[in-house]
Formats: sequence, C-alpha cells, structure tokens
Amino acid sequence: SQKIEQNSEALNIQEGKTATLTCNYTNYSPAYLQWYRQDPGRGPVFLLLIRENEKEKRKERLKVTFDTTLKQSLFHITASQPADSATYLCALAMDSNYQLIWGAGTKLIIKP
Amino acid sequence: KAGVTQTPRYLIKTRGQQVTLSCSPISGHRSVSWYQQTPGQGLQFLFEYFSETQRNKGNFPGRFSGRQFSNSRSEMNVSTLELGDSALYLCASSSSYTEAFFGQGTRLTVV
Repeated sequence: SQKIEQNSEALNIQEGKTATLTCNYTNYSPAYLQWYRQDPGRGPVFLLLIRENEKEKRKERLKVTFDTTLKQSLFHITASQPADSATYLCALAMDSNYQLIWGAGTKLIIKP
Repeated sequence: KAGVTQTPRYLIKTRGQQVTLSCSPISGHRSVSWYQQTPGQGLQFLFEYFSETQRNKGNFPGRFSGRQFSNSRSEMNVSTLELGDSALYLCASSSSYTEAFFGQGTRLTVV
C-alpha cells in the first residue's frame, strides 16, 4: 500500500544544534516533495519544495534533501532556535494529479 | 496581497445539525482544497476544486460536500453532524502545481 511516514514521536533538540527530520514514502513516484511548518491551531506554512531531479535545496538555515532511490527526504534546521519549535509536515505531489499526499508530521521541540 | 480567509474561525454545533464553512482563496488562485485535521490524524484530504469543478475527492462520506463559485471562493458543507466531525477544517489555495497557501482554519466543535 502507499504510505508516507514521518517520525511520530516528538524530536527534542538542544538550541544551537542541527535538527534533522525524516520523511519516508513507499509505492509513490512523486514529481516533487514539499515541507511545511504548522503551529498549534494554525494552518501549515510552506517552507521548501524540492523536485525529483534535485538532490538538495537550501533556504537560509533550512536544507532539504531528496533521495528517490531510498524514497526519503531529510529536512535539516541548522543553528536551531526555540522559535523553530513546531510540527513539520512533508507532502508529496505526483505529476498526474495535483492532490498533495501528506505525512502526519513530526513535532520538533528546541530546548534553550 | 491578502491571504486565504476562512470563516468563521470557531463554530459550535449540535449533533444532527448541518454546517457551512467558507474559504476565500488568494486572488488569482483557481485551486482550492479542503482538509480535516484532528489530533494525531494529520491532514485528511476532503476534496479539491478547480475552476468550479471538483477535481479530486478524498475518502469521506457523502455528508461532506463542497462547491466553488466563479470567483474561486469555496464552501464546504457537512450535514447531519456527528461528534467525530469535531476538528480543525483547513482550506488551501494554489495557483499551479506548487505550494499550497493555507487559511487559519475553522475550529468546529460538535456537542
């Protein structure tokens, strides 16, 4: 069956360290993958998009990698800050169908 | 430009009633998607409208329906409300096959 998996347990990281979140998928061939941030009671906010032919994308302290062989994307936040604490969601999109397929999200907690 | 606007922000309804939620997308965006989010369940896709046509539909019962108007504004309706329908309902708009822009959501509580 098709599924997307993100670490269901909260990830606790010390301030200043690099946080790495994982998004694994099976039985999909996505054209691209997106990462979003969601704060409690609010809608997700788009962060980064990476296409199937791209290995890595960066934006300020954020970095995303996409390995279509491993069927995995890694999301890194360097020099993490308490304000980075939130739930991070990954979403896949196929070329044939615009509908985004969402992971359940990983809660990230950055401790001062 | 203005973001995605959802109304109302909060709603309390009784079992058996029906409810209509509204979403105004970003100007120029023709795609509007609706999601249900409950604690621990992530984003569950309801349906997507593009140019007034339902283009995709999730696995929700027929009590959940939607529509899109010529100005791209969208509504979703839930009839015969059940306690399990209590959730945050999110609307997202998009201009193409790129990022989705979400509204603040409507928190629905069914009592």
